[in-house]
Amino acid sequence: GDSVTQMEGPVTLSEEAFLTINCTYTATGYPSLFWYVQYPGEGLQLLLKATKADDKGSNKGFEATYRKETTSFHLEKGSVQVSDSAVYFCALRDPNEKLTFGTGTRLTIIP
Amino acid sequence: AAGVIQSPRHLIKEKRETATLKCYPIPRHDTVYWYQQGPGQDPQFLISFYEKMQSDKGSIPDRFSAQQFSDYHSELNMSSLELGDSALYFCASSLVSVINEQFFGPGTRLTVL
Repeated sequence: GDSVTQMEGPVTLSEEAFLTINCTYTATGYPSLFWYVQYPGEGLQLLLKATKADDKGSNKGFEATYRKETTSFHLEKGSVQVSDSAVYFCALRDPNEKLTFGTGTRLTIIP
Repeated sequence: AAGVIQSPRHLIKEKRETATLKCYPIPRHDTVYWYQQGPGQDPQFLISFYEKMQSDKGSIPDRFSAQQFSDYHSELNMSSLELGDSALYFCASSLVSVINEQFFGPGTRLTVL
């Protein structure tokens, strides 16, 4: 079945550092790919998405590119802020619209 | 803009009791999804409904049942609760034909004692 493998955390970075959270997937066909963010005590919020190969999703300075050849959707941000501290989930959506999530990466940014 | 509403936000139950979680999708959304997120775990898909019919089923225990009503709200019924059912339960909604995205509610935190 479908699966998402995500970079294990926790990840701790200093403010203004460069962020990469790796995500690879296994799926039949060509799923849509997503990054969700979960702030403490809150629900899941969509951060960005890509629906086909070579698409780049971007939002709030975060970017991820759908790489079919490497089955990857790595999340990047050039300069992180303390407010980016959260848990980040990579996910894919199958043709039945069901989401399969990675295990989540807890990111902590220190001033 | 209106978001997905879940109630209650917090629920405490004893083992073997029953619980009902409610989800009110974004207006005009026709599809509802339920996910379970255990402590420190990733969300796991339970079940989904499209136009009041079950559209997909994941790792939902037989003790759980769910339905979507004519006003598109959904209820997740959980019986014979076990300690392992303690989790955050998310509902998400979408308008499948138009919007390529699921919008999540804030979740219901269920604690089974």
